[in-house]
Amino acid sequence: DAMVIQNPRYQVTQFGKPVTLSCSQTLNHNVMYWYQQKSSQAPKLLFHYYDKDFNNEADTPDNFQSRRPNTSFCFLDIRSPGLGDAAMYLCATSAERLITDTQYFGPGTRLTVL
Amino acid sequence: EDQVTQSPEALRLQEGESSSLNCSYTVSGLRGLFWYRQDPGKGPEFLFTLYSAGEEKEKERLKATLTKKESFLHITAPKPEDSATYLCAVHNTDKLIFGTGTRLQVFP
Repeated sequence: DAMVIQNPRYQVTQFGKPVTLSCSQTLNHNVMYWYQQKSSQAPKLLFHYYDKDFNNEADTPDNFQSRRPNTSFCFLDIRSPGLGDAAMYLCATSAERLITDTQYFGPGTRLTVL
Repeated sequence: EDQVTQSPEALRLQEGESSSLNCSYTVSGLRGLFWYRQDPGKGPEFLFTLYSAGEEKEKERLKATLTKKESFLHITAPKPEDSATYLCAVHNTDKLIFGTGTRLQVFP
């Protein structure tokens, strides 16, 4: 089945220690998104890639960066995680950046910062 | 500011007890309203997209409707496996904006 895969499902890091989260997709979608979701809150868009074109949300902290080496993979790098960065990180894809396109989500990576 | 508000925050139902979840929105130029189901510790699972007032979509025990100001997710004769958080999201001209969800618990 075509799908969005996130690894690892659970990640524990130490305060200030860089961490990378991974997302891959077999849908061959052009657009990949990263969201942050804290407990009982709405998912918050951090940034997205349309093909190789990177689009950052204005309020995404500089501590968060992303890479998309090819169509299938996208990475979220957190350079110096703080306690406030503990959250569920969701990767999503859509076929195009058309505003009517459905976004399909992966299972998420739960990040814990000690 | 574009905004999505879902109510109630939490809902407890007996198995078979039908009910509705509400999603009200203010958005400058609605381009689509999406319903997702999210199980604890998992990513949102797509349910429906609605594009225009009056539109309705159904899937098993779920039926979504849309007006110019709000959407309803009707759950008919729910089962315990319907327990989850239901998220509503609207697409404005720029991005998807989510509500905080309704946490549904269905007891046998």
